[in-house]
Amino acid sequence: EPEVTQTPSHQVTQMGQEVILRCVPISNHLYFYWYRQILGQKVEFLVSFYNNEISEKSEIFDDQFSVERPDGSNFTLKIRSTKLEDSAMYFCASSSRGDLAGEVTDTQYFGPGTRLTVL
Amino acid sequence: LAKTTQPISMDSYEGQEVNITCSHNNIATNDYITWYQQFPSQGPRFIIQGYKTKVTNEVASLFIPADRKSSTLSLPRVSLSDTAVYYCLVGDPGTASKLTFGTGTRLQVTL
Repeated sequence: EPEVTQTPSHQVTQMGQEVILRCVPISNHLYFYWYRQILGQKVEFLVSFYNNEISEKSEIFDDQFSVERPDGSNFTLKIRSTKLEDSAMYFCASSSRGDLAGEVTDTQYFGPGTRLTVL
Repeated sequence: LAKTTQPISMDSYEGQEVNITCSHNNIATNDYITWYQQFPSQGPRFIIQGYKTKVTNEVASLFIPADRKSSTLSLPRVSLSDTAVYYCLVGDPGTASKLTFGTGTRLQVTL
């Protein structure tokens, strides 16, 4: 069964450093997402990406964040200058709007996550 | 965006059927209901999605009444490995938009 993969599984960085989190979405999917989950809290939406551009972003996704699909298979989230409060699990998801018995569905499939720890 | 309400937690014994109900009173015509499962430190895992009546797959059933203002996820014969948080989400799949997670239902299965 195809799945979303993410690397690294755990990233430790110093405050102020740049990090890049990588995701390989399911191969025929066209819509890509990043979410994060601070320990003990809800899963929060960060950004969605389609056709090589951001389609929606949350207020969390400020100028410190950027996304890219550099080579047609990877989907990356860059945090330019990490803060302590960026420590969280970051999940990538992908979807393909498809047809389920004649009805449009959009199931998002999530990766295993990257645990980011900012010291 | 339709708001969902589900119990904070539930307990069950292994082998029992578990039903988790979610209410979504202001569900829109184009909205579907989707359930995800999440284990600690893992990504949410898609369980089942439906629009109306009943949907069944190899892991669960989803019951949606005619008014669609609520839905029930049914897990047959749970095992210890079903201990997880279960999220009910409502949204329009045609827009490929963000998922909004609530706090979910924490299911604890014991022997």
